[in-house]
Amino acid sequence: EAAVTQSPRSKVAVTGGKVTLSCHQTNNHDYMYWYRQDTGHGLRLIHYSYVADSTEKGDIPDGYKASRPSQENFSLILELASLSQTAVYFCASMAGGYEQYFGPGTRLTVL
Amino acid sequence: QQKVQQSPESLIVPEGAMTSLNCTFSDSASQYFAWYRQHSGKAPKALMSIFSNGEKEEGRFTIHLNKASLHFSLHIRDSQPSDSALYLCAVRSSGSWQLIFGSGTQLTVMP
Repeated sequence: EAAVTQSPRSKVAVTGGKVTLSCHQTNNHDYMYWYRQDTGHGLRLIHYSYVADSTEKGDIPDGYKASRPSQENFSLILELASLSQTAVYFCASMAGGYEQYFGPGTRLTVL
Repeated sequence: QQKVQQSPESLIVPEGAMTSLNCTFSDSASQYFAWYRQHSGKAPKALMSIFSNGEKEEGRFTIHLNKASLHFSLHIRDSQPSDSALYLCAVRSSGSWQLIFGSGTQLTVMP
């Protein structure tokens, strides 16, 4: 089964600080995605990538940057963390355009 | 832009009941329709998917798609407490590598 890992699993950050969330997949998938999920709600797409060294904006990119240095790794960067960015962040990978495989999530709390 | 909406927001059913979850979408050219299930504190995981009009059954789960009415649904026969989870519908538009998720239906199956 497809394997996607995320680190850290939880993070407490201060307002205005920099936060980097990391994602690693071992499935040789081309597509990778970053979503945020607010309590009890659906998934909103922040950034995605279909090839190394290239990223695309999703539906809610403001306040977030993304980096895809290799096919296996995809990072989400919050340069100036804000209270409104408290959420659970999921990374996902996809091969042929259909099923997405999700990582376990990172719970981010910004104080 | 694709809009995906789910109903109801939450649902409580007794064990053994038939459960029906609904999803509407706005892009008639959509090509891929899926249901994801997310147990509390876990990652979303693909449950079932369908590409063309009609029905698809896998065990106790049936997915039904009607593109003309921009609607698809998930039916769970003989609902079990282990089915209690957040159910997310997802749609992929033609020519896009993004999945658009609904806001979810929180299902609780009472023993």
